[in-house]
Amino acid sequence: DARVTQTPRHKVTEMGQEVTMRCQPILGHNTVFWYRQTMMQGLELLAYFRNRAPLDDSGMPKDRFSAEMPDATLATLKIQPSEPRDSAVYFCASGRGTYNEQFFGPGTRLTVL
Amino acid sequence: DQQVKQNSPSLSVQEGRISILNCDYTNSMFDYFLWYKKYPAEGPTFLISISSIKDKNEDGRFTVFLNKSAKHLSLHIVPSQPGDSAVYFCAAFQGGSEKLVFGKGTKLTVNP
Repeated sequence: DARVTQTPRHKVTEMGQEVTMRCQPILGHNTVFWYRQTMMQGLELLAYFRNRAPLDDSGMPKDRFSAEMPDATLATLKIQPSEPRDSAVYFCASGRGTYNEQFFGPGTRLTVL
Repeated sequence: DQQVKQNSPSLSVQEGRISILNCDYTNSMFDYFLWYKKYPAEGPTFLISISSIKDKNEDGRFTVFLNKSAKHLSLHIVPSQPGDSAVYFCAAFQGGSEKLVFGKGTKLTVNP
């Protein structure tokens, strides 16, 4: 049963610290997405990759957020330095492109104190 | 500017009755729509989809209706079951784009 995995599931950190979230997409999927869920904004797209190439990161605060795909089995989202307003649930999803459903991981719940 | 709107944050129905979740969109370039279901502490899971060339798609207890002229779609669940209690997200693809645009979700509670 193929699924997207994310680590860690929960992260509590202090303001100013670096946070790294990891995602293993489903093997064979060529698109990977990072979303953030907040009460106010719902599910916001932060960045996405096709065949490991970054295509759109317009949803990310670029001064502190960065997203990479060092290989086909790993996507990372980093926040440096973290701020309390970054507290949210971060989801990774993978898919096969346009008109195909995206499969979501369980999320990383981030709390920045 | 929300391009996909779910105007009801919550909905409560009795077990066995019909649940109707609504979604409106503003972008006429959207041409494929999906519904996702999300339980607490889990990621959203795909439920059902519909292409803009259709006006209805059915899968078991779930039916999605699309009214392109009104830029409106709805998800019908019949009969509703307590296990359907979750947050439902409406989402849309825009003409060839790989990006999904999500609504803010509607929390459905099905009471036994």
